[in-house]
This record gives sequence, structure tokens and C-alpha cells, in this order.
Amino acid sequence: QITLKESGPTLVKPTQTLTLTCTFSGFSLSTSEVGVGWIRQPPGKALEWLALIYWDDDKRYSPSLKTRLTITKDTSKNQVVLRMTNVDPVDTATYYCAHSRAAAGISYFDYWGQGTLVTVSS
Amino acid sequence: SYELTQPPSVSVSPGQTARITCSGHALPKKNAYWYQQKSGQAPVLVIYEGSKRPSGIPERFSGSNSGTIATLSISGARVEDEADYYCYSTDSSGNYWVFGGGTKLTVL
Repeated sequence: QITLKESGPTLVKPTQTLTLTCTFSGFSLSTSEVGVGWIRQPPGKALEWLALIYWDDDKRYSPSLKTRLTITKDTSKNQVVLRMTNVDPVDTATYYCAHSRAAAGISYFDYWGQGTLVTVSS
Repeated sequence: SYELTQPPSVSVSPGQTARITCSGHALPKKNAYWYQQKSGQAPVLVIYEGSKRPSGIPERFSGSNSGTIATLSISGARVEDEADYYCYSTDSSGNYWVFGGGTKLTVL
């Protein structure tokens, strides 16, 4: 079965770079139409789509965060890494990674990790 | 940037039909997807490609679309259906994706 798990720091200082790793099993990121994405959710607030990487290394980013985000994959390790530069307390959120599949031009998430809470504070 | 608009809250009595709407200008051409998120849990996909139910999702969940508005309907709502519901879709270019602001469903 498909599983995903996020890992990374629970506390980050403002202006630092946040690095999160998604380790997955049950699928290969070299399979056509497959992707892995990142979504976050500040406490008590809505989900926010952040970034997505496809099997062919195509990458998409949220326009509002594009300059601060980098998504990469290591197919041999079954991992996807998200880096966010210059973090601020407003970046405090639960960060989820999720398996993506494509249909009719839309990449949607059908399996999610449990999420990891990241707090940005000095 | 593209936005999907949902009502903040919907309330129904058990057994009634709950309807949650999602408005977006690209919805006539782009399918809506729906996620259920219960407190403290990761989201779960309940409707994909506008009206299809993933395996394991009860038949009381259904999706529809009319122009710029997509609707998630829960017929015979149960207390266990209380959750936050999010619509999800893409803008006209298909270059990035967005979630709606979420709707808190109360069944009591």
C-alpha cells in the first residue's frame, strides 16, 4: 500500500531555511503521471498548496511562494525534499506531503502523510 | 492569483442533505475535487474528477458542477460526517492548484 511520512525540524528560527523530507513507499516516482506534492496548514486555518514534482522532474510552485521554495526528488531513495528559505512566524504550520496522480489536466492528491508541525520562532 | 470560494460553515440535522458549494471562474473547464478533514487528521479524498467516489467512500457523498459552482452533497448526513471540507482545483492555465478556504460541517 502507499504510505508517506514527513520528517524535519519541529522548530526553526526566523530567516533560516526549512528543509523537509518526504519518505514514501508503495509507488515509484519514476512511473508516468505520478507526482509528490507538499501542502501546509497553519493552526486553525485552511490548506495551502505549496509545490509538486512529477515523475519526469517537472516542478510546479505556488505563485505566492515560488521565490522561496525548491522541491527535489531522489528516486533511488524514494524521497522528496522541500526547502523553504527565509522562514517567518507566519510559516508556522503542519506540513503534509502527498502522492499525486493526474486526470484531465489536474494533479490531485489521493494519499497523504500524517503531517509534521513546524514552528517558526526565535 | 486564482481563488476558490466556500461558505465558512454549513449546519444540518442528522438525516438531512448537506450541500457545500465551491465557486471558481475556471470550474466550467476544470474539475473540482473534495477533501474531508476531521479534527487532528490528514485530509481524505472523498470526490475526484467532479463526481467520482474513491473506493471506501460511502454512496451518500456525491459531487456535481453547474457552471462556476461545484457542489459536494452528503445525503442522509451523519454525526460522523462532521468535519472540515475543502474543494480543490486548478486555474485555467493548469500550472498550479489551489484549495478553497474550507467549510466546517456541523451535523446536530
